[in-house]
Amino acid sequence: GAGVSQSPSNKVTEKGKDVELRCDPISGHTALYWYRQSLGQGLEFLIYFQGNSAPDKSGLPSDRFSAERTGGSVSTLTIQRTQQEDSAVYLCASSLSGTGREQYFGPGTRLTVT
Amino acid sequence: KQEVTQIPAALSVPEGENLVLNCSFTDSAIYNLQWFRQDPGKGLTSLLLIQSSQREQTSGRLNASLDKSSGRSTLYIAASQPGDSATYLCAVETGFQKLVFGTGTRLLVSP
Repeated sequence: GAGVSQSPSNKVTEKGKDVELRCDPISGHTALYWYRQSLGQGLEFLIYFQGNSAPDKSGLPSDRFSAERTGGSVSTLTIQRTQQEDSAVYLCASSLSGTGREQYFGPGTRLTVT
Repeated sequence: KQEVTQIPAALSVPEGENLVLNCSFTDSAIYNLQWFRQDPGKGLTSLLLIQSSQREQTSGRLNASLDKSSGRSTLYIAASQPGDSATYLCAVETGFQKLVFGTGTRLLVSP
């Protein structure tokens, strides 16, 4: 079956602009996660959704970052007023609900802020 | 705060060798541990998932063990092949299904 998909695969934007990154989870997966992978920080958790609600937003680095999920499916990560330090690969994952579930990752969106 | 460390950071071996990658974590209160591989410019591919109550998992030439009390996991790769070349990441699940990732081991298998 189809895996996790993300779009766009690459995004180049100017400092100060807003960007939206999209994630389509595996069908039937109620849990959805966003992670960020950058050279200096490794792979770090950003936010977790269970259905349309986000019980854990602890990883969002600043109030410029927000995310939403609609219909228990597609999620959008929005970065406002982008900064150069936002340049990274943004990865989305999904899983069945509950602890101990295997997370399946998408190919990521490479964001470059110039 | 949970911290995950992987040793070695990089490893280069000839084809056919058996090898061991190490992962250690500071807080033993985990739900599970997952091993991934990442190819350059690609996302993560899940290799093995070990629940906190399990000691090991096997898939083909891969075997992963977990010693939760000592905060350690190993990934054993038998009869390595050039196609195994990738970065290997371990991650532990903490509360709210959050994964905390290790620093990764970059593996190169030469023909």
